[in-house]
Amino acid sequence: KQEVTQIPAALSVPEGENLVLNCSFTDSAIYNLQWFRQDPGKGLTSLLLIQSSQREQTSGRLNASLDKSSGRSTLYIAASQPGDSATYLCAPLGDYKLSFGAGTTVTVRA
Amino acid sequence: ETGVTQTPRHLVMGMTNKKSLKCEQHLGHNAMYWYKQSAKKPLELMFVYSLEERVENNSVPSRFSPECPNSSHLFLHLHTLQPEDSALYLCASSPRSVSGELFFGEGSRLTVL
Repeated sequence: KQEVTQIPAALSVPEGENLVLNCSFTDSAIYNLQWFRQDPGKGLTSLLLIQSSQREQTSGRLNASLDKSSGRSTLYIAASQPGDSATYLCAPLGDYKLSFGAGTTVTVRA
Repeated sequence: ETGVTQTPRHLVMGMTNKKSLKCEQHLGHNAMYWYKQSAKKPLELMFVYSLEERVENNSVPSRFSPECPNSSHLFLHLHTLQPEDSALYLCASSPRSVSGELFFGEGSRLTVL
C-alpha cells in the first residue's frame, strides 16, 4: 500500500518568499505524480502533472521535481503571494489509484 | 470550472433517509472516481469506474452504492448512513483509469444527523 508523507504539515511565510513543499512516497512503481491545490471547503485544482519518465515540470511560478527512485517530489513556488494560501496535496498515481498525502497548509502573509 | 460538476453542493440528511449525489463530466473522459475527504484525514478512494465498469471498490460499506449509467455520469446512492459518514465527497474524472491526469469537481458536503 502506498504511503504518502508531506512535510511540513503547515507553513507560514511573508509575501515574496519562495516556498518549498516536500512529498515522499513508499512505492516507486508509479505512472505519474500530480500536485493539487485545495482551498477551504472546495474541490481540488490540478497544478502540475509529472510523468514517471520526467524529472521536472514547470508552470508559471510553480516548479515540481520528481525523483522516482528515491520516492520524492518537491513543489517550489516562487515569489509567494497571499493568493497562494491554500492546502497543497501531492498524489502519486499507481495501479488505478491516486494516493494522497495529508497536505501542506500554506499561509502567505501580506 | 474544471468540467466536472457535482450536485448538490451541500446535503443534510437523517440516518434513515435515502439520497443521491450526482457527478457529471463534460471532458470526454473514460474514467470516473468517488473520493471521500473527512476532517483531518487524507483523501480516501471509494470507487473507480472505467468505461462504465467498476474496477475498484475500496472496501466501502454497502450503505454507499455507486452507479455509472454512462461515461459522463456517476452517482453515489446513500442509505442508512451514520454520523461518521459526514464528509466532503469528491468526484473526479480522467482520460483513462491507469495513468491519466485527474480533474476534480467542487465536492458535495454531506452532513448526517
